[in-house]
Amino acid sequence: AQSVSQHNHHVILSEAASLELGCNYSYGGTVNLFWYVQYPGQHLQLLLKYFSGDPLVKGIKGFEAEFIKSKFSFNLRKPSVQWSDTAEYFCAVNEGYGQNFVFGPGTRLSVLP
Amino acid sequence: DTAVSQTPKYLVTQMGNDKSIKCEQNLGHDTMYWYKQDSKKFLKIMFSYNNKELIINETVPNRFSPKSPDKAHLNLHINSLELGDSAVYFCASSQWQGRDGYTFGSGTRLTVV
Repeated sequence: AQSVSQHNHHVILSEAASLELGCNYSYGGTVNLFWYVQYPGQHLQLLLKYFSGDPLVKGIKGFEAEFIKSKFSFNLRKPSVQWSDTAEYFCAVNEGYGQNFVFGPGTRLSVLP
Repeated sequence: DTAVSQTPKYLVTQMGNDKSIKCEQNLGHDTMYWYKQDSKKFLKIMFSYNNKELIINETVPNRFSPKSPDKAHLNLHINSLELGDSAVYFCASSQWQGRDGYTFGSGTRLTVV
């Protein structure tokens, strides 16, 4: 069964710092990759997704992610974080023809004003 | 115009009771899901229905029974509630195979006392 790991449990940054959250998955076939954000007390919202093509994908709110197939990674980045980015971030993987999303354990981001 | 709506948002109940959570989506999606998010924010799929047909049924106690009267609704009924059932339950929907990602409801926070 495929699995998804996220390197950091809790990341604390100051405003304007750059962000990179790691995500690795175990499935060797075709995958669709996603990052979701969950603001405190709210539901999950899609930040960005990768299906094929350009491995660098841009999402909402200035986030981007890079798919590196050889490393089975899909790291999330933002050049300059804001206090409002404080949230839980989930990486998710969907096998190419599968129905089941597998979510990573999440990374809590705290941005200090 | 809510895309995926769940009711109730909060549910506090005593051990041993039976309760239901309702979910409706107006996106025209084929597939609906129930996820459980525990206190550590870990998301685990419970059930998936495609056009009213059960697709995924993870290892979940049989006290949990999903019901899909039509493809726009997926309700979750829980019998004989236990303390360990306390969690946030998220409904989600997607097109078949979820390649566009999932749209999540706002969650139902279930507290069993």
